[in-house]
Amino acid sequence: QVQLVESGGGVVQPGGSLRLSCAASGFTFSNFAMHWVRQAPGQGLEWVAILLYDGINAYYADSVNGRFTISRDVSKNTLYLQMHSLRGEDTAVYFCAKEVAGLSDWGQGTLVTVSS
Amino acid sequence: QMTQSPSTLSASVGDTVTITCRASESINKWLAWYQQKPGKAPKLLIYAASSLQSGVPSRFSGSGSGTEFTLTISSLQPDDFATYYCQPYSTYPYTFGQGTKLDLK
Repeated sequence: QVQLVESGGGVVQPGGSLRLSCAASGFTFSNFAMHWVRQAPGQGLEWVAILLYDGINAYYADSVNGRFTISRDVSKNTLYLQMHSLRGEDTAVYFCAKEVAGLSDWGQGTLVTVSS
Repeated sequence: QMTQSPSTLSASVGDTVTITCRASESINKWLAWYQQKPGKAPKLLIYAASSLQSGVPSRFSGSGSGTEFTLTISSLQPDDFATYYCQPYSTYPYTFGQGTKLDLK
């Protein structure tokens, strides 16, 4: 069955960087578009980024464009989110998700806290 | 841009409830609905506006196209009290609706 496991979250200072990982299994990773979605404490869901199935084309929310980069390593079946210039408002649980007509499968999330 | 309403909804077990999402421009039928419980990842309920995701109970239904969409939950069960989100997936960004918290009256 499909499994998505995020890791890499933690506490980082404002202006810092962090890389999140999402280990995928149970499906052919290279055939699907993958997303990052985040949720600030007590808030709603915020779509962050998508990497299309080609592994090349990516799109971002305006709030992260130019600071975050989504990528993948097919040999490791792993999706990444490289985050730079982190701000307090980036504090959230970050989920990765697989797209099949909507986001059909989700990981459990990893918490990123931006604080001095 | 999606506008979801209401933001909160109080209901009783056995009730039928409806949640609405409106798009600022036509998204054809490319809309999904999710359920989220506290501390958990969202769960896909409906895709393509009206198609039921495998394993989701038939009391959940979706309708609409273009700019107006609804999620209906018939005969509410105790497990249905959660927060619901809509999400378009026709063009980027895939911005979620603001969410509807369904709680027990």
